[in-house]
Amino acid sequence: NAGVTQTPKFQVLKTGQSMTLQCAQDMNHNSMYWYRQDPGMGLRLIYYSASEGTTDKGEVPNGYNVSRLNKREFSLRLESAAPSQTSVYFCASSERAQGGDEQYFGPGTRLTVT
Amino acid sequence: DQQVKQNSPSLSVQEGRISILNCDYTNSMFDYFLWYKKYPAEGPTFLISISSIKDKNEDGRFTVFLNKSAKHLSLHIVPSQPGDSAVYFCAASAGILHAGGTSYGKLTFGQGTILTVHP
Repeated sequence: NAGVTQTPKFQVLKTGQSMTLQCAQDMNHNSMYWYRQDPGMGLRLIYYSASEGTTDKGEVPNGYNVSRLNKREFSLRLESAAPSQTSVYFCASSERAQGGDEQYFGPGTRLTVT
Repeated sequence: DQQVKQNSPSLSVQEGRISILNCDYTNSMFDYFLWYKKYPAEGPTFLISISSIKDKNEDGRFTVFLNKSAKHLSLHIVPSQPGDSAVYFCAASAGILHAGGTSYGKLTFGQGTILTVHP
């Protein structure tokens, strides 16, 4: 039982390049989330998927797209990377999007855009 | 507009003493509050949560207090241990009504407080 896994762990991109961050969970959770963490800003929600087949914007969705490929996998795509997207990205999942439901986080992807 | 604020960037405590981490919020629609702990190079892990219908929730050494009128919550750790040294985030959520019901997926996090517990 690996929980939430993310690939890659580290990535360096040049401005304008594209990439997809992968996330998978093996807990049969319905809801999945993508966050970014920046110094002094805490974690900010980019997109989330309350259930398979649905996605919704979070607090900072601009410059990102997501795909809920199936119940296990939720990917985050940067179409044209910008230095402002340098951050640590966390994927999370929860059984449902219920009040107080614990979200389980992956180990993060550290992305640098030069 | 920071809806959830942790005004203390860091806190230093002696082992065995009480650690008190504070969090303030501005959105009166928040009805669930959670605390997460984060070690370096790892993802956050859930600690404890509280519903807005309660004013206290306890789990072992961890107790969360909620003061709705002041829009303030705090996490008490008693006794503090060196292994508690980490970044602590408070988070809040409000129910969003969809066609299929109400969801609470959107967590709003504070900036975090670095807790250091000295042996």
